[in-house]
Amino acid sequence: DAKTTQPPSMDCAEGRAANLPCNHSTISGNEYVYWYRQIHSQGPQYIIHGLKNNETNEMASLIITEDRKSSTLILPHATLRDTAVYYCIVRVRETSGSRLTFGEGTQLTVNP
Amino acid sequence: SAVISQKPSRDICQRGTSLTIQCQVDSQVTMMFWYRQQPGQSLTLIATANQGSEATYESGFVIDKFPISRPNLTFSTLTVSNMSPEDSSIYLCSVSERAYEQYFGPGTRLTVT
Repeated sequence: DAKTTQPPSMDCAEGRAANLPCNHSTISGNEYVYWYRQIHSQGPQYIIHGLKNNETNEMASLIITEDRKSSTLILPHATLRDTAVYYCIVRVRETSGSRLTFGEGTQLTVNP
Repeated sequence: SAVISQKPSRDICQRGTSLTIQCQVDSQVTMMFWYRQQPGQSLTLIATANQGSEATYESGFVIDKFPISRPNLTFSTLTVSNMSPEDSSIYLCSVSERAYEQYFGPGTRLTVT
């Protein structure tokens, strides 16, 4: 699995967009970008994933650069409940599912 | 999405003893995983548990220390054996229903004194 680099921490004002960057310069052509988050004292929660096209769901948007070497997770209107550690994970998508390799992630703090 | 419960939610144990953690899923799933999260750290995979076969352990984890059972498609246990204070962690189980998504349980917070 390709290695990812994320800033250790970020702050965001409540109601504003939170843009969380992730570098994955060694990503392979068959590797997807996944985002999970872990709210304090809870298990990680899946957010979104993508291969090369931008993706959007009810939780967030994922923007992947054309060369796929970096991506940005966007929370369009951050709330206090979005305070969490956000993990960017790059791995091959396997039909039977496979393990996740977690890096250190980004601690996002949403301030009132 | 799968709903996962774990028991116990937390425990305080003495060194040298063992603790068995249970993971129950509300639907049948093929793959279950056990992770450890040491204080202030990220998650580390311990092993993959498949029904009907022995668990597959990651580097640094051995069956004698972390025996795992997977008797059916909705249940698994992880035992932390001969505990030491270094085993104090949050232990999480997760399941994979689809290739891109894993669901995690709430975790078991273990403190070894």
